[in-house]
Amino acid sequence: AQSVTQPDIHITVSEGASLELRCNYSYGATPYLFWYVQSPGQGLQLLLKYFSGDTLVQGIKGFEAEFKRSQSSFNLRKPSVHWSDAAEYFCAVGGYNKLIFGAGTRLAVHP
Amino acid sequence: DSGVTQTPKHLITATGQRVTLRCSPRSGDLSVYWYQQSLDQGLQFLIQYYNGEERAKGNILERFSAQQFPDLHSELNLSSLELGDSALYFCASSPQGMTAGANVLTFGAGSRLTVL
Repeated sequence: AQSVTQPDIHITVSEGASLELRCNYSYGATPYLFWYVQSPGQGLQLLLKYFSGDTLVQGIKGFEAEFKRSQSSFNLRKPSVHWSDAAEYFCAVGGYNKLIFGAGTRLAVHP
Repeated sequence: DSGVTQTPKHLITATGQRVTLRCSPRSGDLSVYWYQQSLDQGLQFLIQYYNGEERAKGNILERFSAQQFPDLHSELNLSSLELGDSALYFCASSPQGMTAGANVLTFGAGSRLTVL
């Protein structure tokens, strides 16, 4: 069955520090993988997606993610975090008939 | 503004009641999806419609139903409401009718339902 695990519920980083949010998935075939971000009071916005090809994908707002099939992971990274990046981040895996979201990681940014 | 419009933004009602949530997809999008977000269950996929037809079904309760109209807007009907139905309900849309997992979704801002 499809599943997504985001091991970190909360992460706090200092502004300007690097960031890595972890995501592990379970799916029998090559998955479609997504990262979405949810700001307070807002809907989810797509940051980036992986369907096939280059395993390092670039997204909006300076984010990138790397698909590692051997580790069943799709971790999100950003070299330098801005205060406006404080939000909740969701990893998702798309299978045949549905898009499954992880539980989310809430990011706090200290000045 | 994502282009996906959801009404109402907030709704407070009592147990046993029925409510209807409305969604207008982004212009040109043919697929509409409904998700429920709650603290204990996270984001749960409920149902997908494509051009008026049901395309995929998730964890939607029998007390809930949805439809997509010829103008492509969608409504989610929640009946015999229980306290546990309190949640944020998101609508999302996509251009294609491909299986739900392969599409890039554009989300609305959500409708927050509180059942007292």
